[in-house]
Amino acid sequence: GAGVSQSPRYKVAKRGQDVALRCDPISGHVSLFWYQQALGQGPEFLTYFQNEAQLDKSGLPSDRFFAERPEGSVSTLKIQRTQQEDSAVYLCASSLGLAEETQYFGPGTRLLVL
Amino acid sequence: GQNIDQPTEMTATEGAIVQINCTYQTSGFNGLFWYQQHAGEAPTFLSYNVLDGLEEKGRFSSFLSRSKGYSYLLLKELQMKDSASYLCAVSRPGGQNFVFGPGTRLSVLP
Repeated sequence: GAGVSQSPRYKVAKRGQDVALRCDPISGHVSLFWYQQALGQGPEFLTYFQNEAQLDKSGLPSDRFFAERPEGSVSTLKIQRTQQEDSAVYLCASSLGLAEETQYFGPGTRLLVL
Repeated sequence: GQNIDQPTEMTATEGAIVQINCTYQTSGFNGLFWYQQHAGEAPTFLSYNVLDGLEEKGRFSSFLSRSKGYSYLLLKELQMKDSASYLCAVSRPGGQNFVFGPGTRLSVLP
């Protein structure tokens, strides 16, 4: 595709529900990143994939957060048993090759946990 | 730990010049990125500095001093559409490759 796409754009969940957020990176991009962005703050790193391999998950805040990229393209970020503190914008980004290269961001999924 | 500082908010007048500063202390450094983010939208790439000095790209310029851990983004001939948040990000080797600052919210007034 022309850019990074994410779905859904908005998600409202009741506390305790599981949610799944999808990211379609730019076609051919090797590296994929997930970030969490609170209101008025910069994005905070969650996890990083190179193709299908999850090379870094040190930013995931708890074991309720899980990400996968099984075929090296589309990625899903899953949050189990959502809590109110999970409310944020979840951004996905991709880069052509190495992780140090320019990242191109999707529009984000705004998650609200009630 | 990784630390990146930017002013929280700035205000400037249409047609003026504004400089947004960024200071950083990180373990490892490959380069420094600037992104623009309009409210509710994705961050978009503005510039990348890996060597000391000034990179100019149209109305936007970015400066880097690696020895001082300092960068700035210079916006000239400000337009109303430049009202946005400006994010400074350090690219570093190893885990958590991109570390973002808190962002500077710029308001351009008529």
